[in-house]
Amino acid sequence: VIWMTQSPSLLSASTGDRVTISCRMSQGISSYLAWYQQKPGKAPELLIYAASTLQSGVPSRFSGSGSGTDFTLTISCLQSEDFATYYCQQYYSFPWTFGQGTKVEIK
Amino acid sequence: EVQLVESGGGLVQPGGSLKLSCAASGFTFSGSAMHWVRQASGKGLEWVGRIRSKANSYATAYAASVKGRFTISRDDSKNTAYLQMNSLKTEDTAVYYCTRPATGDGYNPFDYWGQGTLVTVSS
Repeated sequence: VIWMTQSPSLLSASTGDRVTISCRMSQGISSYLAWYQQKPGKAPELLIYAASTLQSGVPSRFSGSGSGTDFTLTISCLQSEDFATYYCQQYYSFPWTFGQGTKVEIK
Repeated sequence: EVQLVESGGGLVQPGGSLKLSCAASGFTFSGSAMHWVRQASGKGLEWVGRIRSKANSYATAYAASVKGRFTISRDDSKNTAYLQMNSLKTEDTAVYYCTRPATGDGYNPFDYWGQGTLVTVSS
């Protein structure tokens, strides 16, 4: 099993801020990493896959980086609609696993 | 337009069984793997399991927490995937989502999700 450590679990920020979320793997996964955004009562939405490829329709203020064991999601200029919970996910080996989640709240 | 619609959730007693369905449309269902992911209230996402396409022998894989109790199946003639849940425990209480990988039947993240169906295991 590949264990994932996502941090921070809670991030307080203001509109316009640059925020980063980290995801660390217990073993290397190449670039088989995705990031999702989830809003209350809704299903998750895919933001980034292959560690750094933006899903179609996702604003360019979202970006991803990393490979191997360390990955980062960056939101360059936080907008009101970005306050949500974010999850990383590895799809390198079964069981596929998700990070614990990072809730981005208004400061 | 891709759509995934879950049904079959509800209240069940510990030790009981329930079968969820996921009706798919808008894509070539028979060529796609299908996955189930669950989320307990206020908690994170947990991958439950997947079933591959006929071309990949309908191979299944499960999380350790459900292996031996849950079974995923599919009916390509009905564009529907199923999650049979037996020997249910209170810790299985969650919203269950069906989801598909972005490209066919390979190792890809999930680009479409259903709206989820709530399963409550309680006496």
